[in-house]
Amino acid sequence: DGGITQSPKYLFRKEGQNVTLSCEQNLNHDAMYWYRQDPGQGLRLIYYSQIVNDFQKGDIAEGYSVSREKKESFPLTVTSAQKNPTAFYLCAIGKAGMHNEQFFGPGTRLTVL
Amino acid sequence: AQSVTQLDSQVPVFEEAPVELRCNYSSSVSVYLFWYVQYPNQGLQLLLKYLSGSTLVESINGFEAEFNKSQTSFHLRKPSVHISDTAEYFCAVSDYGGSQGNLIFGKGTKLSVKP
Repeated sequence: DGGITQSPKYLFRKEGQNVTLSCEQNLNHDAMYWYRQDPGQGLRLIYYSQIVNDFQKGDIAEGYSVSREKKESFPLTVTSAQKNPTAFYLCAIGKAGMHNEQFFGPGTRLTVL
Repeated sequence: AQSVTQLDSQVPVFEEAPVELRCNYSSSVSVYLFWYVQYPNQGLQLLLKYLSGSTLVESINGFEAEFNKSQTSFHLRKPSVHISDTAEYFCAVSDYGGSQGNLIFGKGTKLSVKP
């Protein structure tokens, strides 16, 4: 089975806890992205990475952190500093020379209680 | 800076009726344009894209979109919708040679097809 996997599909955490969302791909794409989706807000870019060991902040990086130690993996940590973490989180991948076309994972719905 | 405006947040339509979902973009350079579809609690799937060449692009399930450079638009159309087309649709833009490889998304249009 190939493609982009995000786990878990649903995640519940207590307020004040850090939580890490997984994103894995086996398509050998260089670029990986994390988006946050809220109703009526569209997709907002949190972080992105073009190559291993390098990543850049997107539009709403505050309260989030990432790492890119392997090409296949781009985990996102939602820290306790994120004021409103409940949302649907989408991971995407892209390939150089693909006109910036992106392919999305199935998403993780995070609910902070 | 680039931006994307989807003019309708919700579009209700009856089954077998035609539909148009509107998308306008703002960019100072040439662009690539995309439409994605999202079914409830799922990721986004690419529906169609304009990269170059013919300004009319089509998807395998009957949707089409036309790139209009003078009006900076990329509206999505389908002549006869089905219940299964009920979903949220996102328009996205990326510029030629964008070093960051980022897409700018509109806020989405929810298409609701009623029997």
